[in-house]
Order: sequence, then structure tokens, then C-alpha cells
Amino acid sequence: ETGVTQTPRHLVMGMTNKKSLKCEQHLGHNAMYWYKQSAKKPLELMFVYSLEERVENNSVPSRFSPECPNSSHLFLHLHTLQPEDSALYLCASSRNLLVEQFFGPGTRLTVL
Amino acid sequence: AQSVTQLGSHVSVSEGALVLLRCNYSSSVPPYLFWYVQYPNQGLQLLLKYTTGATLVKGINGFEAEFKKSETSFHLTKPSAHMSDAAEYFCAVIKRGGSNYKLTFGKGTLLTVNP
Repeated sequence: ETGVTQTPRHLVMGMTNKKSLKCEQHLGHNAMYWYKQSAKKPLELMFVYSLEERVENNSVPSRFSPECPNSSHLFLHLHTLQPEDSALYLCASSRNLLVEQFFGPGTRLTVL
Repeated sequence: AQSVTQLGSHVSVSEGALVLLRCNYSSSVPPYLFWYVQYPNQGLQLLLKYTTGATLVKGINGFEAEFKKSETSFHLTKPSAHMSDAAEYFCAVIKRGGSNYKLTFGKGTLLTVNP
């Protein structure tokens, strides 16, 4: 399998649920990212990891918790979300922090 | 802070017509420049990039973009639109130098291709 994969592709959850989004990159990259894409809004950078260390936490609410166990995997743990958190969550990776990023297909999240 | 402006949130062209999607950046030092495309229910795919060298950059699917420093622009063009080009297009920049590595995106331009 090549590129950046994300699972699940679709997720519906209640506000009291706990779920996790998974991202895996098969490109040998050292940096990984989480973005939020909402309708009518620019892409919002949420978190950045470089060499498994978090280098950016872009004022994201604590109900979103990232985890990067190794350079190939990135998780986004979700708990007690709000309906306004419904969006497309995109994962990306890059060789390093200053070059182009490659995106996964995204997870469409709906919070009821 | 650097910013990216995409003029026109929605562009509509006829099949076979020229596609022109506009992107301007604000930065005292020309940044690294990118165009991404997003098809419905998919992630973003890199179309092309400019980092250094030739200012006319060719990408995938017949698209190209020209970096014009004097105009702080990086407009995306395609001579002849195809129905399969219908998608949303994002211009993005990374600031050169320093520790600011954020990929800053424009708000996107939705391209519609009419038969």
C-alpha cells in the first residue's frame, strides 16, 4: 500500500463517545500533520509532528488529543466532541517541515 | 504574517476553454508556492510546486503555473478544460527561511466545467 491512508473514512459519533482516527504513511516521511476542513472555511492546521515530537498545537481544544507512536503512524483521539466539530479531518505527511505535504483521503466526522 | 488570496471562490468554464485560477501571496520574500486539487470526498493532491529555478512550472493533468515576483502571483492555468477538471483548487505557501514551516492555504476556488 502506498501514500497516506486514513481510517475510518466515515465516522458518526455521539457527544459522549470516545473514538480515534488513524493515519498511516508509507512514504518514509519524517513529519505528519492533522488538519480540519469545515465547509466555507480555509483548512485549519491542528497539529504537527516532526520526528515523532509535537512541534505545533494550534490552539486546539483538549477534546482533541494527538498521538504519534512512530514516524509512520498518527492518531487523533476524540472525546466529548461538539456538533461544530463535524468536519473532514485530513492527515498529511512530508519529508521534512519545509517541503510539500501529501494528504490522505480524510475522515468525514459527524457529531450528533 | 504571510497570507494567500485566491480571487474568485467559484470559477465556471466551458469544456475546452482556458482555465485561469488566480493566486496572490503577501510576503516580502517569495515563499515556496504550491497548488493542490481536491476532488469530492477526497484529500488534497499536489498539482505542482515552485521552489526555485524556472518560473513556469508544469504539473500533472496539463496544468501549469507561473511565478511572477513583481506581481506576487502564482496563477494556475490549463489551455483546455476537461470535465474531469471539476474540483476545488487550493493555492498554498510556505515561508522561506526561519522556523515558520506552516503551509498556509488560500480559501480555495471551486472550478465547474460545463459541457
